[in-house]
Amino acid sequence: TQLLEQSPQFLSIQEGENLTVYCNSSSVFSSLQWYRQEPGEGPVLLVTVVTGGEVKKLKRLTFQFGDARKDSSLHITAAQPGDTGLYLCAGTHSGGYQKVTFGIGTKLQVIP
Amino acid sequence: NAGVTQTPKFRILKIGQSMTLQCTQDMNHNYMYWYRQDPGMGLKLIYYSVGAGITDKGEVPNGYNVSRSTTEDFPLRLELAAPSQTSVYFCASSLQGLLGYTFGSGTRLTVV
Repeated sequence: TQLLEQSPQFLSIQEGENLTVYCNSSSVFSSLQWYRQEPGEGPVLLVTVVTGGEVKKLKRLTFQFGDARKDSSLHITAAQPGDTGLYLCAGTHSGGYQKVTFGIGTKLQVIP
Repeated sequence: NAGVTQTPKFRILKIGQSMTLQCTQDMNHNYMYWYRQDPGMGLKLIYYSVGAGITDKGEVPNGYNVSRSTTEDFPLRLELAAPSQTSVYFCASSLQGLLGYTFGSGTRLTVV
């Protein structure tokens, strides 16, 4: 079974703090996605990274794909209450129908 | 721009009853997927389709069936509901799995 491990599983921080969450695997992925899911809703795609070492920025969020395409990180600068949610990473395997493996997620709470 | 629409939002079934979860997308995506999400378990793939008339099993297909008669619609059928099927079900679609998914808002199903 190919696994994507996310850490930490839970994170509670004060508004204005910085944080980093991690997504690790022993498998090589063709691409990796990050999603944010709010209670009662489906996951919403934040970013897709494709190239090893790639860095993408989305306002205060910075996403990095590891050089070997086995891991990724999400860094949030100056967290806001609106960042609260479940952050999921998902890795796409090459070949076939491009099977996707999801991590269990990091549950982030930003306290005002 | 509706994206992926799922109905119903909530449903309570008795053991042994049947139901169909509806999913439709208006983005002309070839790929469609059904996932279930359970606490601490992440998203598990039930069935997927790479185009109209083509479906295949995912990780946890037992107790479910699907059909894909059109590009837009991908209903999920539960024939004999069991308590183990209590979960939140998400439908998703993609142009290519490599680029990430668009998810619906989910159906919360309870089997009693």
